[in-house]
Amino acid sequence: GENVEQHPSTLSVQEGDSAVIKCTYSDSASNYFPWYKQELGKRPQLIIDIRSNVGEKKDQRIAVTLNKTAKHFSLHITETQPEDSAVYFCAASISAASGSRLTFGEGTQLTVNP
Amino acid sequence: EAGVAQSPRYKIIEKRQSVAFWCNPISGHATLYWYQQILGQGPKLLIQFQNNGVVDDSQLPKDRFSAERLKGVDSTLKIQPAKLEDSAVYLCASSLRGISGNTIYFGEGSWLTVV
Repeated sequence: GENVEQHPSTLSVQEGDSAVIKCTYSDSASNYFPWYKQELGKRPQLIIDIRSNVGEKKDQRIAVTLNKTAKHFSLHITETQPEDSAVYFCAASISAASGSRLTFGEGTQLTVNP
Repeated sequence: EAGVAQSPRYKIIEKRQSVAFWCNPISGHATLYWYQQILGQGPKLLIQFQNNGVVDDSQLPKDRFSAERLKGVDSTLKIQPAKLEDSAVYLCASSLRGISGNTIYFGEGSWLTVV
């Protein structure tokens, strides 16, 4: 099955700096890559996603890049703010005739220091 | 639009007891998922339904876990008997259809502590 690895497991940055989280996946059939933000005690919430026919996608301070050849994708957060502090999960999805299934990375605890 | 509803939010049981969690997906969502999230880890898929049929239950510990979605809407996840290692958050999620690329929406989760 699919295996998703995520690095780093913890990341601490100063407010205003950029943060980068990287993920690799194993199955070349994966074609959908969402990123979720999970605050303590809350549900995972989708913040951005990218499909395999696109190399980069940006939404305000958040961007995601995908390298299909190398099977890795990254989340970039610019001008970080304290409210960006949370656990971020990457995921990869394999499309099947009966539906898709998300495999998650282990998460990155991002701390933005004021 | 109402989100994915789950209950109960919190449950504490002793090992070897049973517990059941309920989920009501977003209206019209054909695909329903149950994920297990152990503290400090990413969510792990337990079972996926498309309408009332099981699509994937390969990671469901079938000796103690069961799930059903009889009418293709609500779903229940049962654990019997519970073990200490079942302590986790059980997240229900749904999507409009199971085709890759459709957003999966999560509920707030049911927190289980087995003592």
